[in-house]
Amino acid sequence: RKEVEQDPGPFNVPEGATVAFNCTYSNSASQSFFWYRQDCRKEPKLLMSVYSSGNEDGRFTAQLNRASQYISLLIRDSKLSDSATYLCVVNMLGSGGYQKVTFGIGTKLQVIP
Amino acid sequence: GAVVSQHPSWVICKSGTSVKIECRSLDFQATTMFWYRQFPKQSLMLMATSNEGSKATYEQGVEKDKFLINHASLTLSTLTVTSAHPEDSSFYICSARHGLAGGYNTGELFFGEGSRLTVL
Repeated sequence: RKEVEQDPGPFNVPEGATVAFNCTYSNSASQSFFWYRQDCRKEPKLLMSVYSSGNEDGRFTAQLNRASQYISLLIRDSKLSDSATYLCVVNMLGSGGYQKVTFGIGTKLQVIP
Repeated sequence: GAVVSQHPSWVICKSGTSVKIECRSLDFQATTMFWYRQFPKQSLMLMATSNEGSKATYEQGVEKDKFLINHASLTLSTLTVTSAHPEDSSFYICSARHGLAGGYNTGELFFGEGSRLTVL
């Protein structure tokens, strides 16, 4: 089983739609969670951190379910500019005591006019 | 915000040569930097964790003698692909975590722009 699993998509949605992505992680000791956005041939950039209580930033809502070991990202009122790959990132303690950051494969979103 | 600079952005080299990629944190000190590789349509794969002043920690399956990592200062880590072959052609990205006072960090990673390596 992969440490971080995501549906690669693509998710093709019309402008204005609401779309949700899930990401599951295998290590119950994972410490922190993030959603990153990666545009084609560019470096990933932080979209938002994911807090235990859930958090919202404008049209974006992130949630964490530790019991079921998944995080989610909800995008409301999709814009054309939201088209990108969304990476689920999990921060856990690796061997040797170092923090290890693991990326999911990413979910590709294409917002259609 | 924190900035990480990576150089070179593009490199084309002949098979058998070595290529060095630099990763610099421009406005913060990074005790830990990470090196990733991304093949087309695949996820970012962590290659190694670079620790300032100590040996890098390599992920399973990554040859440490082929991918040499040096983190000699708090603002610079280098990745050298030795004796590069066409199968090493990939997008290499570094990242650094911004450390705050007291050792606590937000966890946010700042990425370099990436280096696209093509080995002929």
